[in-house]
Amino acid sequence: ETGVTQTPRHLVMGMTNKKSLKCEQHLGHNAMYWYKQSAKKPLELMFVYNFKEQTENNSVPSRFSPECPNSSHLFLHLHTLQPEDSALYLCASSPFRDPPGELFFGEGSRLTVL
Amino acid sequence: SQQGEEDPQALSIQEGENATMNCSYKTSINNLQWYRQNSGRGLVHLILIRSNEREKHSGRLRVTLDTSKKSSSLLITASRAADTASYFCATDAVLTGGGNKLTFGTGTQLKVEL
Repeated sequence: ETGVTQTPRHLVMGMTNKKSLKCEQHLGHNAMYWYKQSAKKPLELMFVYNFKEQTENNSVPSRFSPECPNSSHLFLHLHTLQPEDSALYLCASSPFRDPPGELFFGEGSRLTVL
Repeated sequence: SQQGEEDPQALSIQEGENATMNCSYKTSINNLQWYRQNSGRGLVHLILIRSNEREKHSGRLRVTLDTSKKSSSLLITASRAADTASYFCATDAVLTGGGNKLTFGTGTQLKVEL
């Protein structure tokens, strides 16, 4: 138990569906991250939030829409995804953005797009 | 190639043997971290070594850092079947425009057989 909880753990969706991934951290951290992990590829940083403000968007397609209502919660809204978006989506948090130090990861949400 | 690249990509050893994984990177760093990931799960932080440190120990883990060669190694001594996982290095580099960037490699898949 790392203190970072992700739901759902598994999600199957069609290309026209709208779904959301949720992340919650109970560690009092100020920075939260979304990473994408595809087979045989390095972890890809998607978004970074620091004190609820988005500080980084790594050229992520607009079909992925993040939301950070407060420092403890982070969402990733999914809309009209493509099969190549199937991956493990990992949420992480750290005490601060710069420097991040140790990241605490959730267990991930395994997304399959049909 | 990536900022952090692990070598080898896959490693299979017998229980009780030592496992050594290497990580090479390109730019100057503040620190280097090692993470572990069990199949389909989130990443778990193992150890952080700062750029002014050369060696660090944590239980059966030994990490070395050679900033002149831009490389690090992770040694797991007396391996156990439970050590079977993927291991990732992550480099924390300062960006020229300010801020930090934590970049992960593709990982080494370690299998420890009974």
